[in-house]
Amino acid sequence: EVQLVESGGGLVQPGGSLRLSCAASGFTFSSYEMNWVRQAPGKGLEWVSYISSSGSTIYYADSVKGRFTISRDNAKNSLYLQMNSLRAEDTAVYYCARENWNYWGQGTLVTVSS
Amino acid sequence: DIQMTQSPSSLSASVGDRVTITCQASQDISNYLNWYQQKPGKAPKLLIYDASNLETGVPSRFSGSGSGTDFTFTISSLQPEDIATYYCQQYDNLPLAFGPGTKVDIK
Repeated sequence: EVQLVESGGGLVQPGGSLRLSCAASGFTFSSYEMNWVRQAPGKGLEWVSYISSSGSTIYYADSVKGRFTISRDNAKNSLYLQMNSLRAEDTAVYYCARENWNYWGQGTLVTVSS
Repeated sequence: DIQMTQSPSSLSASVGDRVTITCQASQDISNYLNWYQQKPGKAPKLLIYDASNLETGVPSRFSGSGSGTDFTFTISSLQPEDIATYYCQQYDNLPLAFGPGTKVDIK
C-alpha cells in the first residue's frame, strides 16, 4: 500500500526555520517525482515545490524561492522541505504528493506566529 | 504564469441532481488538467486526470471533459457523500496552478 506520511510541522516564530519530512512507503520512491503543496487555513491549494526522481531538477513557486529548499534521500525513501525565513503567510497545512498526483500525505500544519 | 478560474465558487443542489463545474485556463494547456475532491480536514483526492480520464476506483458518476482553455467537471447524480470542495489543476507548465475551488453542498 502506498503511504506518504509528513512530519515536522509546528509553531515557529516569524523569521524562524522548520524542516518538514515526508516518509514514503509501498512503492519505489527513487522512481517518482515528488511535490510539496500547501493550503492556508480556509484557503485553496498552492503548489510549493517540485523535485525530480534523482533530485537533479528542482522548481519552486515564486512565493518561497530563496527561502525554501526541497531535497530527497532515495536511500531513506524520504522527501524534505527546509523552510527558512518563515513568514506569517507561510502558515498552512503542507502536503507531499507523488508524481501523477494520485497519492498525497495527510498533511502537517505549520503555524508561523509570535 | 497560467491562471486558473473556476465557476461557480459554490453551489447547492439536491440529491440526484446533475452538477457541473467549469474551469478555465488563461492559456492553452492541452488536456493537462486534473480534478480533485477535498473534504474538510483531508488531503485532496484525485478524481479525473488528463481532463477526462477517471482515476481508478472513482465512481462513474464523476466525469470530465474539455481541452485547450475550457474544461467541465460533472457529477451526474449528486450523492450526500459528494459534499466537498472541488479543485481543478493545470500541470502543463510551471508553476503548477490550482483553481480557487468550488464548494458543493446539499440543498
